[in-house]
Amino acid sequence: QLQLQESGPGLVKPSETLSLTCTVSDGSITNSRYSWGWLRQSPGKGLEWIGSVFQSGTTHYHPSLQSRVTISLDTTENRFSLQLNSVTAADTAIFFCGRTDIAADAFDVWGPGTMVTVSS
Amino acid sequence: DIQMTQSPSSVSASVGDRVTITCRASQGIDNWLAWYQQKSGKAPKLLIYSASTLQTGVPSRFSGSGSGTTFTLTISSLQPEDFATYYCQQASSFPYTFGQGTKLEIK
Repeated sequence: QLQLQESGPGLVKPSETLSLTCTVSDGSITNSRYSWGWLRQSPGKGLEWIGSVFQSGTTHYHPSLQSRVTISLDTTENRFSLQLNSVTAADTAIFFCGRTDIAADAFDVWGPGTMVTVSS
Repeated sequence: DIQMTQSPSSVSASVGDRVTITCRASQGIDNWLAWYQQKSGKAPKLLIYSASTLQTGVPSRFSGSGSGTTFTLTISSLQPEDFATYYCQQASSFPYTFGQGTKLEIK
């Protein structure tokens, strides 16, 4: 059963870059049936999709974050990453990585999530 | 962006009850609708995709219906483990968007 695991700093200073990695185990990130995405959930709030990357390298980002976000695949390490620039306290959230089955267009596998706090 | 609106925002029910949650899209999304269950401190879990297809391993007491702009998630007979927050998500177009959530609480 494919598993995802987020990793990265739990604390980021305002104006700096948030960088997270999602490691994929028991499955290949190069399977074209799937895309790979990042989502977040602010404390006590709902879910927000950040963006997704396809095996081709094509990316889609939330318009509200597009100017600050980069999602990329690392096929040699079987992982994908998120970079969010110029963070503010409003970016404090639990960040989840997820796999989307392209045929179903739904996130069928999720990482457990990692809390990132933006604070000086 | 397509706005997703769930109702109710919260509901109290008892074990054995039948519960229905509604999700409305601000424009037609065909059947590109998924439902997730999230328990406190955990990642969401996919229940239903393509509006009505049950994800493998999900109990048959969960069902989904709808097309276009109005969708429902029904739990036919609530079990103790079903008390959680439920989210709908549209996948018709980017950006993917979620409903605000429906918290299902024990009466």
